Amino acid sequence: KAGVTQTPRYLIKTRGQQVTLSCSPISGHRSVSWYQQTPGQGLQFLFEYFSETQRNKGNFPGRFSGRQFSNSRSEMNVSTLELGDSALYLCASSSLLGGQGTEAFFGQGTRLTVV
Amino acid sequence: AQSVAQPEDQVNVAEGNPLTVKCTYSVSGNPYLFWYVQYPNRGLQFLLKYITGDNLVKGSYGFEAEFNKSQTSFHLKKPSALVSDSALYFCAVRDGGTGGGNKLTFGTGTQLKVEL
Repeated sequence: KAGVTQTPRYLIKTRGQQVTLSCSPISGHRSVSWYQQTPGQGLQFLFEYFSETQRNKGNFPGRFSGRQFSNSRSEMNVSTLELGDSALYLCASSSLLGGQGTEAFFGQGTRLTVV
Repeated sequence: AQSVAQPEDQVNVAEGNPLTVKCTYSVSGNPYLFWYVQYPNRGLQFLLKYITGDNLVKGSYGFEAEFNKSQTSFHLKKPSALVSDSALYFCAVRDGGTGGGNKLTFGTGTQLKVEL
C-alpha cells in the first residue's frame, strides 16, 4: 500500500510569490491535515480537510489556504510568500474522523525555502 | 485547549541501556496520545498510540509507552537502546471528542542520541 505522497520535495521561491503544495493521501483515507515545521515554532497545525470540507483551521494568516478534491488529494497554497514561511510542510492522512482514535500517517514533507 | 510538554531537549544514552523520553499532556476530554519519530529531512513515522485500555502500550521497533492518568504523562521507553534509535521524537495529543477532528498538538520534540 502506497504511503502519503507529497510533491514537490523541495521548492525555492522568492518573496512575494505564491506556491502550491500537493498531497496524495493513503488510498481510502479521507482526512488530510497539514502541518508546518520550523526550528523556532516546532510543529504547528495548519488545517484539516475531510470529504472536501475544512474541519479545523490553525492560527495562521489568510495567506495560507487549502482545498481537498473528490479523490481526497489535497493542495495547500501560500500567497505573498514571506521569508518566515520557509519551513518543512508536512501532510498527514487518516482513515476516519478523530473520534475513532486512528493514527495519522505522514508524508516526507515539502521543504520550502523563501529567498 | 490541548498542550504537550517534552521537558528534555536532548536525551543521551549508551547503547544497550534502557531509555526514557518524557511527555506530559493537557486536554479537556479523553486523551488520545501518540509518539512519532523523525529522521533528518524525513516526515514523521508513527511509533505507538494510547486510546484506551492497558496503560502500557507496545509499538514499533521495541518501543513502549506508559500512560499515567493521574500524572497526565505518557513516557516513551525502550529496554535496550540501539545507535539506530538516534532521532527526534515527538509526543502528540488529540482530544478524544469528535469535535477536535484529527488535529494533533505536538510537543517540542526530544533529540535522542544513543552512543556506543
